[in-house]
Amino acid sequence: KQEVTQIPAALSVPEGENLVLNCSFTDSAIYNLQWFRQDPGKGLTSLLLIQSSQREQTSGRLNASLDKSSGRSTLYIAASQPGDSATYLCAVYTGGGNKLTFGTGTQLKVEL
Amino acid sequence: GAVVSQHPSWVICKSGTSVKIECRSLDFQATTMFWYRQFPKQSLMLMATSNEGSKATYEQGVEKDKFLINHASLTLSTLTVTSAHPEDSSFYICSAKDRSNQPQHFGDGTRLSIL
Repeated sequence: KQEVTQIPAALSVPEGENLVLNCSFTDSAIYNLQWFRQDPGKGLTSLLLIQSSQREQTSGRLNASLDKSSGRSTLYIAASQPGDSATYLCAVYTGGGNKLTFGTGTQLKVEL
Repeated sequence: GAVVSQHPSWVICKSGTSVKIECRSLDFQATTMFWYRQFPKQSLMLMATSNEGSKATYEQGVEKDKFLINHASLTLSTLTVTSAHPEDSSFYICSAKDRSNQPQHFGDGTRLSIL
């Protein structure tokens, strides 16, 4: 059974700091990996999707890497802003791309 | 981009009531839809997967008689929480995908509160 863990569970940083969120998964036979953002009481916003053959994806201040063999992914946020405060979830696709298993989430707070 | 609409966004009802949540794909054919549940400060847990015109496949521990899923068309799936009780209070999120290898597209979720 696929298990996805995110470290740290919570993180508080001052504005402007660069930070790294970690995601690990137990079964390396994944189809894709996706990072989401969730604001309190809201749905999911997709940030980055990394296909299993890719090593990284970038979008603006976000960079996600994938090391499938070691079962790890990182989300790098550059020059963090208070608006980045949210819960960040990573999720892995297995079962031919249909089954999505979510991580435990990292709750990020960026302070002024 | 692909849009998934979920309705209602928020519902409060008395214990014993049955509640129906709708999930619609607005601009693509959703051959597969998924229903997730999220308890406070926890991650999303897959409840069931439904393919259009077929019975839903439920994850272990999810009561199929309690959570009725219907996916009768390529644009609509419904989740009915039957005889809801306070422990069913949660955030329910649907997602949908077509036959391609594109990822799932998520609805905005439904906050269910049972008094």
